[in-house]
Amino acid sequence: QKEVEQDPGPLSVPEGAIVSLNCTYSNSAFQYFMWYRQYSRKGPELLMYTYSSGNKEDGRFTAQVDKSSKYISLFIRDSQPSDSATYLCAMSAGNDYKLSFGAGTTVTVRA
Amino acid sequence: GAVVSQHPSWVICKSGTSVKIECRSLDFQATTMFWYRQFPKQSLMLMATSNEGSKATYEQGVEKDKFLINHASLTLSTLTVTSAHPEDSSFYICSARGGTLNYGYTFGSGTRLTVV
Repeated sequence: QKEVEQDPGPLSVPEGAIVSLNCTYSNSAFQYFMWYRQYSRKGPELLMYTYSSGNKEDGRFTAQVDKSSKYISLFIRDSQPSDSATYLCAMSAGNDYKLSFGAGTTVTVRA
Repeated sequence: GAVVSQHPSWVICKSGTSVKIECRSLDFQATTMFWYRQFPKQSLMLMATSNEGSKATYEQGVEKDKFLINHASLTLSTLTVTSAHPEDSSFYICSARGGTLNYGYTFGSGTRLTVV
């Protein structure tokens, strides 16, 4: 079993729809949770980070962490074609610890 | 800011030759740098962690003599793929910790290596 599980998709939605992404994990030591966006042939770009459980909102993006269920989510409201990318969840046990990544979910927002 | 510059963005080399990839933190001091490898449609796989002025820590299964990492300054880390073979063809990405990001992990734009 992988340490971080993420459905690779692909996920295709019409413009304006809500995109829902999620990851599950097995390591209860994880404290820091992140979502990265990666365009083709580019490095990942940090979208959201959360420490421990809770919700965080930034513009059209909302990240949720439920440590009791070992489950994290990312929601993208009013999706745009420019949101088409691969979204990677990542997590670690500490601020200086290496990141464990999910497989990434490929999202296409249709105009 | 927190910008990591990675060069080259792509490189083609002949089998048996060595290739050096550079990762620079442009506006902050990077105390720790990470090197990843990514195959098509797969996630990032951590290869090694390097701290400025000390030897890199390699992940299990990564050949340290093949993938030489040097982190000689707080703004520069290099990955040298020695005696490259076609199976080394991949997308290599560096990440640096430091700068103004709250969590501090900034990624370079990646290097696509093709060994022919």
